[in-house]
Amino acid sequence: SQKIEQNSEALNIQEGKTATLTCNYTNYSPAYLQWYRQDPGRGPVFLLLIRENEKEKRKERLKVTFDTTLKQSLFHITASQPADSATYLCALSYNTDKLIFGTGTRLQVFP
Amino acid sequence: NAGVTQTPKFQVLKTGQSMTLQCAQDMNHEYMSWYRQDPGMGLRLIHYSVGAGITDQGEVPNGYNVSRSTTEDFPLRLLSAAPSQTSVYFCASTSYNEQFFGPGTRLTVL
Repeated sequence: SQKIEQNSEALNIQEGKTATLTCNYTNYSPAYLQWYRQDPGRGPVFLLLIRENEKEKRKERLKVTFDTTLKQSLFHITASQPADSATYLCALSYNTDKLIFGTGTRLQVFP
Repeated sequence: NAGVTQTPKFQVLKTGQSMTLQCAQDMNHEYMSWYRQDPGMGLRLIHYSVGAGITDQGEVPNGYNVSRSTTEDFPLRLLSAAPSQTSVYFCASTSYNEQFFGPGTRLTVL
């Protein structure tokens, strides 16, 4: 079955730096990959979607890349701020609305 | 729009009790789903529905029932609660591949 790996260790970075989170998957490539943000005690919030034929997608300070050869997606937050501190979830889909989620990586941005 | 709403926010049950977790959305989305989230496990799909009258099982359906009589509502029923069902439950609706999540229900089964 499909397995998604996100770094379970928290990522601590200084304000203003670029945060880079990794999502690796096994087996065949998904039709698209999504990133969500989750704050403590709240439901996940959709951030970005990238399709298998897209290499990169940007939205304001966010950038997602999708490398089907490496079976990896990278999620970048540039000019990070303490308000970006949260857990970020990667999710895959294979031509359906069903998503397979990773366990998430907690990002901590300190002043 | 209220988006996706869930009730209750917190619930404590004793083993063997039954209850229904409520989920409603006002965005007229056809696709809805239920997840549970456990530490170190990520979100796991319990049941989903592609429209009123149609439901299907996800990855971890045992011990849970669902129904979808209207587009708006998608309740999740625990027939006989077990401690293994202690978790945080999220309902979501989907539009154009984007999932909108509710605030969650934290359930503890003693």
